[in-house]
Amino acid sequence: DIQMTQSPSSLSASVGDRVTISCRASQSISSFLNWYQQKPGRAPELLVYAASSLQGGVPSRFSGSGSGTDFTLTISSLQPEDFATYYCQQSSSTPITFGQGTRLEIK
Amino acid sequence: QVQLVQSGAEVKKPGASVRVSCKASGYTFTGYYLHWVRQAPGQGLEWMGWINPNSGGTNYAQKFQGRVTVTRDTSISTAYMELSRLTSDDTAVYYCAQVPAGNGWFDPWGQGTLVTVSS
Repeated sequence: DIQMTQSPSSLSASVGDRVTISCRASQSISSFLNWYQQKPGRAPELLVYAASSLQGGVPSRFSGSGSGTDFTLTISSLQPEDFATYYCQQSSSTPITFGQGTRLEIK
Repeated sequence: QVQLVQSGAEVKKPGASVRVSCKASGYTFTGYYLHWVRQAPGQGLEWMGWINPNSGGTNYAQKFQGRVTVTRDTSISTAYMELSRLTSDDTAVYYCAQVPAGNGWFDPWGQGTLVTVSS
């Protein structure tokens, strides 16, 4: 199985900050890496697919990069609605696996 | 628009089985794989398996092999996930999610179904 490791596990930041979340795969997954945002009591929502493609309707302050084993989700200027938990997911092979999540909190 | 609507919350006793449904609308049901993912309280996301609604073919995570069965009824555009021999560790929110293309990202997701296992 491909292990996905996110860092940090939690992060405190302020509105307007630039934030970076990392995701590392235990083996190369090419660009088969997706990012989700989840708010309490809600289903996850797709932000970025195929490592760097922004899902329609997602604000341009979100961006994804990386390939192989190392990936990054960047939020260029945090907005109040961005405080949530973020997950990476590999879709290179089954079993599909997720990172453990990064909880983004208000400082 | 594409929408997945799941059945309501369930409370089950240990050892019982649960079946969760996922009704699709807004697209050709047989055209896209559906996956099941669960999330225990306060925990992360765990992939369970998928179904090809066209053929009925399935693929399950090793952890759930022998305990999970995913089926579909194409006449009503609905997929089902049945989990047997429930324990308290199976208490979780269960989601269905569509894979719109190739090597799948999940979009959209159903709203989730809380399954509580308690004696």
